[in-house]
Amino acid sequence: EIVLTQSPGTLSLSPGERATLSCRASQTISSNYLAWYQQKPGQAPRLLISGASSRATGIPDRFSGSGSGTDFTLTISRLEPEDFAVYYCQQYGTSPLTFGGGTKVEIK
Amino acid sequence: QVQLVQSGAEVKKPGASVRISCKASGYTFTAYHAYWVRQAPGQGLEWVGGVNPNNGVTHYTQKFQGRVTMTTDTSINTAYMELSTLRSDDTAMYYCTRVLRLLKDPFDLWGHGTMVTVSS
Repeated sequence: EIVLTQSPGTLSLSPGERATLSCRASQTISSNYLAWYQQKPGQAPRLLISGASSRATGIPDRFSGSGSGTDFTLTISRLEPEDFAVYYCQQYGTSPLTFGGGTKVEIK
Repeated sequence: QVQLVQSGAEVKKPGASVRISCKASGYTFTAYHAYWVRQAPGQGLEWVGGVNPNNGVTHYTQKFQGRVTMTTDTSINTAYMELSTLRSDDTAMYYCTRVLRLLKDPFDLWGHGTMVTVSS
């Protein structure tokens, strides 16, 4: 199974700052089939990015994804108050589908 | 409105079974696979498995093989997940999701979740 390791575990930042989240895979992800999800307390996850870099419908352009192979990054260019949440990466190209352990972006 | 509406919270005893439903609306139910993801309290996301509503073919993660059954009723656009022989570590929020193409697309729509509590 492909293990996804997210870092850091927690990111403490202020609104307006840039957030850089990392997701590293234990083996190459097929066709860059990597997604990022945002989850707020008490809510279901929401798809942000698919195919490593394609924003989902309605996702603001301050969210961007990059990377290929085994190293991927989610960048939030300027944090808005509503962006403080937990972010998960997921690979969906190889069974079993797997998620990273999550990065919590909290207000500093 | 495109949405997945799940059944309500469940409390079960160890060894029992639970069946959760997920009703789809606003899109062609049979165009997407119905998948399930769970999240234990304070923990991350774990894929459980999925089912193709067109032919009933299932795809379970090995961890749940033999204990999970996923089905659909296309007449009412509803997917079901049944988990048997429940243990305390099955206590989790269970989410239904959808996938357009198996192993090519992400989970682009999620239900609100169904909390399953296993306690004696």
